[in-house]
Amino acid sequence: GEDVEQSLFLSVREGDSSVINCTYTDSSSTYLYWYKQEPGAGLQLLTYIFSNMDMKQDQRLTVLLNKKDKHLSLRIADTQTGDSAIYFCAENQPKAAGNKLTFGGGTRVLVKP
Amino acid sequence: EPEVTQTPSHQVTQMGQEVILRCVPISNHLYFYWYRQILGQKVEFLVSFYNNEISEKSEIFDDQFSVERPDGSNFTLKIRSTKLEDSAMYFCASSLSGGNGYTFGSGTRLTVV
Repeated sequence: GEDVEQSLFLSVREGDSSVINCTYTDSSSTYLYWYKQEPGAGLQLLTYIFSNMDMKQDQRLTVLLNKKDKHLSLRIADTQTGDSAIYFCAENQPKAAGNKLTFGGGTRVLVKP
Repeated sequence: EPEVTQTPSHQVTQMGQEVILRCVPISNHLYFYWYRQILGQKVEFLVSFYNNEISEKSEIFDDQFSVERPDGSNFTLKIRSTKLEDSAMYFCASSLSGGNGYTFGSGTRLTVV
C-alpha cells in the first residue's frame, strides 16, 4: 500500500529558510500536498503539486518534486514565528468515486526568534 | 472563504456509548470524507462518500462506524459503541471534484473515558 514518510522535527531560526522533506512509495501518486496544522486547529492546505511538475512556487513556499526518487520537499523562505506548526505531506490518486489522501506522520517545525 | 464546519469541537463520552459527529461540508461540494488522528500519530483515512453512498473505506471503518447525509447539508459519522481507542481528533473534509481541492474542518476531539 501507499506509505509517506517525513522527519519528525525541524528547528530553524527566524529569517532563515526551512526545508521539510517527504518520501513516498506509490509511483502512481497524482497530486502531492503540503498541509499545515497549528496547535488545536484543523488541516490547512498550503500548496500542492501535480505529478507532472517538478517545481511550484507560491510566495514564500517552494515545492520541489523528484519523481524518480519519490521525494518531495517544501522550502519556506524567510521563516517567521507564525510558521511554527506541524507540516504534513500527503498524496493521492484521484479516482472517479473519490480520492483518499495518505498522510505522512508530520514534521514539527519550531521557529526560534 | 467557504468553510467546512464541524460540531462539537470537543466531545467526551463513556465507553460503550454511541456518538454522532456532525459536519457541514461546503455547499457545492460533491465528495465527503472522514479522517481521524490519534494523538501523536498520522492522520488516517476512514471513509469517503459520493453520490449518497460510501465510495471507499479503510480497515479502521468497521461495523461500529457509519456515515450518513441525512439532508442536503449535514454529513455525520456515528460510532455505535465507543471504545477507549476511538479517542482521537476526527476531521471532516469535502471536495468539489475527485481530484484536488480538499477542504478540512477544524476537527472534533473525541475523548472516550
